[in-house]
Amino acid sequence: AQRVTQPEKLLSVFKGAPVELKCNYSYSGSPELFWYVQYSRQRLQLLLRHISRESIKGFTADLNKGETSFHLKKPFAQEEDSAMYYCALMNDYKLSFGAGTTVTVRA
Amino acid sequence: SAVISQKPSRDICQRGTSLTIQCQVDSQVTMMFWYRQQPGQSLTLIATANQGSEATYESGFVIDKFPISRPNLTFSTLTVSNMSPEDSSIYLCSAGTSMNTEAFFGQGTRLTVV
Repeated sequence: AQRVTQPEKLLSVFKGAPVELKCNYSYSGSPELFWYVQYSRQRLQLLLRHISRESIKGFTADLNKGETSFHLKKPFAQEEDSAMYYCALMNDYKLSFGAGTTVTVRA
Repeated sequence: SAVISQKPSRDICQRGTSLTIQCQVDSQVTMMFWYRQQPGQSLTLIATANQGSEATYESGFVIDKFPISRPNLTFSTLTVSNMSPEDSSIYLCSAGTSMNTEAFFGQGTRLTVV
């Protein structure tokens, strides 16, 4: 069975500091992984997906099949990055979500 | 992209009653899903809404409790039946197409059962 683990429930960093959100997965096939973000009072939205290998709002995430990880990173956090972040794995177009990490960026 | 409207956005219901949540997508989509987010927890998939046929339920969810309809490509409803306080959650509609793996979400329906 597939599983997504986000070990950190809360993450607090200072503005300008690096931030890394951890995500580990278990899946028997070739995984398709995503990071979704929910800003305050907004709906859940896609931040980035591993297949596009792009940087969105300064965030990057690299799929490491050996470590079964898909950690999200940003070198310099901004206050507007404060949000709830979910790592998700897609199987047959259905998403399995991690528990989520609440990120607070302090001035 | 797809814009998803859900209504109601919130409701407070008496136990034993039922609530139907509507989900409208502004474009034709291949897939529609319903998720539940219980307080302090992550999103859990309830079922896949299939157009013109019975929904496909995930383990732990049954049609009698969560009947779902999808009469066309852009509209679906989820009913939470015979509600109890344990059904208090946020219910989210999601949609996507087979051409693009991005899932779009509604703003959610916050249900409180008293």
